[in-house]
Parts: sequence; structure tokens; C-alpha cells
Amino acid sequence: KNEVEQSPQNLTAQEGEFITINCSYSVGISALHWLQQHPGGGIVSLFMLSSGKKKHGRLIATINIQEKHSSLHITASHPRDSAVYICAVKEDFGNEKLTFGTGTRLTIIP
Amino acid sequence: DAGVIQSPRHEVTEMGQEVTLRCKLISGHNSLFWYRQTMMRGLELLIYFNNNVPIDDSGMPEDRFSAKMPNASFSTLKIQPSEPRDSAVYFCASSLSPSGAGQPQHFGDGTRLSIL
Repeated sequence: KNEVEQSPQNLTAQEGEFITINCSYSVGISALHWLQQHPGGGIVSLFMLSSGKKKHGRLIATINIQEKHSSLHITASHPRDSAVYICAVKEDFGNEKLTFGTGTRLTIIP
Repeated sequence: DAGVIQSPRHEVTEMGQEVTLRCKLISGHNSLFWYRQTMMRGLELLIYFNNNVPIDDSGMPEDRFSAKMPNASFSTLKIQPSEPRDSAVYFCASSLSPSGAGQPQHFGDGTRLSIL
């Protein structure tokens, strides 16, 4: 069973700061997801990646397959970025099952 | 396009009652996932279907839980009899599969279930 660890568990930062959230996993994977869950509870898929780097607006996700590690970066952070960010991994190409990290609660202070 | 639609949004019922949660997939999607989220355990996969067939139900807690896909666009998750420890937020998600690394899962807004 894959163990997915996220750090930090909680992060508070000032508006405008550069944010990094980390995710490590223990077993080889076919894909890694970053999800965002807002205080209202809805979950949105931000990225799905299996190698390299992806960018969407102010969000950047990177993955290092050899080191079993991924990072989610937020540039020029804004209070609306406040949410829980969840890392999830898919182990098998033939199985869609995701194993989730416990999430990182991000609070951006104006 | 409409997203994944779950109903009800909130459910409060007494212990021992049957609970049925419903989910409508995004049109054209062929994989359906039921998740449970609690403070203690975070998000956990309960079961997922591909083309209406259950593929992995290893996360279903026990026989009190059952899930069905009566057709390609609709699913139910039933708990009978319900217990207070079943209180959680239940999410449904759908995707286009096989996804490899290229297709995300789209989540519904969740059903907040409270068993008294």
C-alpha cells in the first residue's frame, strides 16, 4: 500500500508570498494528482502529472519520479488561494484507484 | 456542461435507518468513484466502477455498504443499517477511462451525512 505524506500540514503566509507544498510517496506510481478543496467543501482537480512539470496560471506542479516526490508551488499568493491542497497517487496503469495524502491547509493573510 | 451531481447535499437520520446517496456522472464519462472523507482518515476510496462494472471495492467498510450503477450515468451508495460512525462527507467523482495520466477526476459537491 502506498504511503502518501504531505508537508507541511498547515501553512499560513502573507499575500504575495511564494508557496511550496510537498508530497512524498513510497511506491512507484503511474500518475500523481493535486487537488484543491475550498472551505465550502468542493474538490477540484488542479493537476495530473507523471513526469516533469506543469503550469496553470500562478500554480506550478513538479514531480521527480526517481525521488518519489512532488511539489506544488503558488506564485504571488492571494487570499483566494486559501484552501486544503491534497496530493493523490495512482499506482497502476490499469487501476484508477487513488491513494490520498492527508492534505495541507493553506491560509493566505491579506 | 453539468458537472457531477450528487444528492442529497445534506442528510441527517437516526441510527439504524437506511441511507441512499445518489450520483449522476458527467455525460460521456465511464468511470465512477465513491469516496468518503472524515477528519480522522481524510479521503478514502470506497469503490469504483468502470463501464458499469465494479473494479475495486476493497475500500467498502463492510456489508452494510453497497453501491450500484443501474445505468451508465447514475450510481447509488446505500448504507443499511446506518451507524453513527458512518457520519462523513461522501463524494462521487467521474472520469473518462482508461485515463493513463491524462484525464482528471471530476468531483461532485459531496453529501454531508450525519447519523444520530
